[in-house]
Amino acid sequence: AQSVTQLDSHVSVSEGTPVLLRCNYSSSYSPSLFWYVQHPNKGLQLLLKYTSAATLVKGINGFEAEFKKSETSFHLTKPSAHMSDAAEYFCVVRNTGKLIFGQGTTLQVKP
Amino acid sequence: DVKVTQSSRYLVKRTGEKVFLECVQDMDHENMFWYRQDPGLGLRLIYFSYDVKMKEKGDIPEGYSVSREKKERFSLILESASTNQTSMYLCASSHTGIMARNQPQHFGDGTRLSIL
Repeated sequence: AQSVTQLDSHVSVSEGTPVLLRCNYSSSYSPSLFWYVQHPNKGLQLLLKYTSAATLVKGINGFEAEFKKSETSFHLTKPSAHMSDAAEYFCVVRNTGKLIFGQGTTLQVKP
Repeated sequence: DVKVTQSSRYLVKRTGEKVFLECVQDMDHENMFWYRQDPGLGLRLIYFSYDVKMKEKGDIPEGYSVSREKKERFSLILESASTNQTSMYLCASSHTGIMARNQPQHFGDGTRLSIL
């Protein structure tokens, strides 16, 4: 069975410092992986997706994620946080036609 | 851009009422989904549909039903609303077929439903 675990429920960074949101997955075959972001009172927006073409995936707003099969990880990073990055982030693995969501990580960005 | 529209942003209903949540997408997507989102639990799949008049149970279908009479519209129905169904409800859609594995789901802005 496929599953995904976000290792931190809450991450706090200062504006201008790097962001790291951690995600581990479990999959019996080559997975499709996604990161979504949800700003307050909004739906989910796709940040990036892993499609097996390249292990380092670049997304919108300066985010990127690296697929590491040996570590079963798909961590999300950004070199420099902006105040507008404060939101909830979901790591997602695809199981046939359905998505399996992690519990979410709330990113707080302090001035 | 894909547009997934949920008919209400906020809704307040009473226990025992029959509640309808509507979702419309404009990209001719075959797949449509209903999730509920609760703090600390992420998103959980209630029902999904691969085609018109087709429906499949998700992980938490109890207390809900769905209707898909037209390709662009997917309705979630709470047959007799209860307080434990107070939640944020999110609708999503996606393509199917050979490329579907790498296709993301596109989400609406959600309906925050309160059952009193």
